[in-house]
Amino acid sequence: EAEVAQSPRYKITEKSQAVAFWCDPISGHATLYWYRQILGQGPELLVQFQDESVVDDSQLPKDRFSAERLKGVDSTLKIQPAELGDSAMYLCASSFAGTSGSYEQYFGPGTRLTVT
Amino acid sequence: GESVGLHLPTLSVQEGDNSIINCAYSNSASDYFIWYKQESGKGPQFIIDIRSNMDKRQGQRVTVLLNKTVKHLSLQIAATQPGDSAVYFCAERKAGNTGKLIFGQGTTLQVKP
Repeated sequence: EAEVAQSPRYKITEKSQAVAFWCDPISGHATLYWYRQILGQGPELLVQFQDESVVDDSQLPKDRFSAERLKGVDSTLKIQPAELGDSAMYLCASSFAGTSGSYEQYFGPGTRLTVT
Repeated sequence: GESVGLHLPTLSVQEGDNSIINCAYSNSASDYFIWYKQESGKGPQFIIDIRSNMDKRQGQRVTVLLNKTVKHLSLQIAATQPGDSAVYFCAERKAGNTGKLIFGQGTTLQVKP
């Protein structure tokens, strides 16, 4: 069964350092999402891509976070500089069609970020 | 702001019993709802979904009920098993939205052997 791949699975970094996460969605999925999940809470959308275009980044802290999906396939989420409050699970999800049809999103295993 | 909430943070049930996990949503314009299961250290896993033009949908051992009058969603798990132990999230999508899901806080289901 096809899965969303994410790496690394765990990342420990010092505050003020840069960190990057990678996601490879399920093949053929045009829509890709990045979520942040704080322990004990539900995921919160950071950014949504339709192919290579950003369709929603209203909750992305743009002063330190950036995301790209240059070829409309895999994606990278970057934080620079990292802050203590960024410690969380970063989840990537993909879906076949984000604007019509099925809305089911398939999640990857996530990257657990700890900022010290 | 708008949010999807769950009534109980933790639900403890005996193995073999039926479980009911509840969710109250606030946006009457939402047209799609979905339940996810999240095991420790893993990403959320799709369980079942339902559109707003339906009241009930059944899957394998799971049933989702939607009451739009009181904006209430529930997940019923039949014959609960130890493997069902996890955190369960409901999520909603607003009609006309780009597909963005808004998640609730989660209910932890503990299954006692």
